[in-house]
Amino acid sequence: DADVTQTPRNRITKTGKRIMLECSQTKGHDRMYWYRQDPGLGLRLIYYSFDVKDINKGEISDGYSVSRQAQAKFSLSLESAIPNQTALYFCATSDYDVGYGYTFGSGTRLTVV
Amino acid sequence: EDQVTQSPEALRLQEGESSSLNCSYTVSGLRGLFWYRQDPGKGPEFLFTLYSAGEEKEKERLKATLTKKESFLHITAPKPEDSATYLCAVRETSGSRLTFGEGTQLTVNP
Repeated sequence: DADVTQTPRNRITKTGKRIMLECSQTKGHDRMYWYRQDPGLGLRLIYYSFDVKDINKGEISDGYSVSRQAQAKFSLSLESAIPNQTALYFCATSDYDVGYGYTFGSGTRLTVV
Repeated sequence: EDQVTQSPEALRLQEGESSSLNCSYTVSGLRGLFWYRQDPGKGPEFLFTLYSAGEEKEKERLKATLTKKESFLHITAPKPEDSATYLCAVRETSGSRLTFGEGTQLTVNP
């Protein structure tokens, strides 16, 4: 099993719908992150969490919300999806030191039509 | 605000043709520079962390170096399986968040 698992892998949804992307990890890391990746824009941070009670906005949090249900689970929600939220979404984890970088999931490809 | 710029955006090499990828960065205080490899449809995979100017790390055909303003990823005698997008990221001293560059898409032709 993968260290960081994202579900679903692919999703097509309609404008205005609420959608949740899920992330679970077996690394035992406290820190979890949600990024989106767009061609030409690289990886941009949406939200991050240092533990269950500590959630912080990243650089592009508008239109998104998150929930840290447990140390191992971190979900990203789009309350009312819009087409410019079409992107590849990645969940990542790290330990406190980050010396070994982040461990990324395989991503969720989201298309909003 | 941290900034990371990678060049070139895309690089096409023949098998065995060595080259380098560049990552220029601006941070208030560097706490680590990271290199990742990303294959199509997959998440980035960690390669190296560099902490101070003059530091070098190697893995197979890849060698990463660091100065006070930039990092290079040297690829020696590349093979087609080295084809991927290579991402650079920096971590500043005040937190654990990483700021990523846009990546260099490397294609190695047989």
